[in-house]
Amino acid sequence: DSGVTQTPKHLITATGQRVTLRCSPRSGDLSVYWYQQSLDQGLQFLIQYYNGEERAKGNILERFSAQQFPDLHSELNLSSLELGDSALYFCASSVGGAASYNEQFFGPGTRLTVL
Amino acid sequence: GENVEQHPSTLSVQEGDSAVIKCTYSDSASNYFPWYKQELGKRPQLIIDIRSNVGEKKDQRIAVTLNKTAKHFSLHITETQPEDSAVYFCAALASYIPTFGRGTSLIVHP
Repeated sequence: DSGVTQTPKHLITATGQRVTLRCSPRSGDLSVYWYQQSLDQGLQFLIQYYNGEERAKGNILERFSAQQFPDLHSELNLSSLELGDSALYFCASSVGGAASYNEQFFGPGTRLTVL
Repeated sequence: GENVEQHPSTLSVQEGDSAVIKCTYSDSASNYFPWYKQELGKRPQLIIDIRSNVGEKKDQRIAVTLNKTAKHFSLHITETQPEDSAVYFCAALASYIPTFGRGTSLIVHP
């Protein structure tokens, strides 16, 4: 158990819908990362937050948005869902700070299926 | 942006053999190179990492080497065991942005 929690574990929804994925980082970690893992695209970095502020942005679609709250938990919002959004979504957390090289601890993931 | 190539995509070895997985990166600003192991249906877990100011790092049966000039780094696993079977991902980080390789499926036959 990494100490990072994600809810829900599984999510099944229809095209065009909107969903919210939730992540709670390890105690003391200030950085949260979101990743999408699909069979054809591998592990893709979406976005990173550090202490409530967006720090880095990767291949995140405009239909997707995220935020980190004052209690440091984070939510990833996916809207206007398409079949291709079906994937495993991971959250990871790290201590953060000035260095980019802090070990990231991954949560168990949320499996999203869009029908 | 950064591009990370990982080879091979599949690696099959006999128990006790060594396994080597190689990655190349394109952005010379990348300064941190972690390796993750992901078992089927599980989360990725860090197994070893190396920073750009170090050429080699070892942890028991696992070692990583980095050649900054050639922009490549490799994972070496010695005395492989069946429980080493998993997908291994390399990554390169520049300016807080991680870019992952496509993964190597390692199969260790007893």
